[in-house]
Amino acid sequence: EVQLVQSGAEMKKPGESLKISCKGSGYSFTNYWIGWVRQMPGKGLEWMAIIYPGDSDTRYSPSFQGQVTISADKSISTAYLQWSSLKPSDTAMYYCARLSTVTTVDDYWGQGTLVTVSS
Amino acid sequence: QPVLTQSSSASASPGSSVKLTCTLSSGHSTYVIAWHQQQPGKAPRFLMKVEGNGFYNKGSGVPDRFSGSSSGADRYLTIANLQFEDEADYYCETWDSKASWVFGGGTKLTVL
Repeated sequence: EVQLVQSGAEMKKPGESLKISCKGSGYSFTNYWIGWVRQMPGKGLEWMAIIYPGDSDTRYSPSFQGQVTISADKSISTAYLQWSSLKPSDTAMYYCARLSTVTTVDDYWGQGTLVTVSS
Repeated sequence: QPVLTQSSSASASPGSSVKLTCTLSSGHSTYVIAWHQQQPGKAPRFLMKVEGNGFYNKGSGVPDRFSGSSSGADRYLTIANLQFEDEADYYCETWDSKASWVFGGGTKLTVL
């Protein structure tokens, strides 16, 4: 069974750094793209960044380029999203997702990580 | 990069059918899209992928009531025999050859 398990909720202050994680299991972690998606309160889904763990190829949405860093450790089948200096506007739910461009291959979602940034 | 357009809301009665539309921007009418369902307070759930020729592939465990289709730049999600549990936000999503992904704005489906 494919599963993506994300790290727990975080409460941070502005200016602090943060790294959240997404551990994949039940499939070959290196053979699928893993992406991060932001959902601000009451809003829609936004793609942030994506990584192919097999060769660490990374892509960023222009809206998030320079704001976050995506990475992956294939030895432990885990993808990460990190901030160096959080802002209150980073308060949101963050989801990871396993993606495939192949029509006959399912996508999968993690359960979400709530990040709250407040002084 | 493609742009996906969805109606912001839709409503239908229990037991009826509803057809949600996702429209691809000009020059991207052949793209495959994926449909995802997000019930209130939950993580999104993958429903299916729909090709430009109308072929669709549903995710594991997705009820038979859900189907996909296509016409030109439009990709459809049809839900038959609507249940109260189908009340959710529905998002379409696609990607391009540069591995850049994009979502539509989502359709809020109300079952009343």
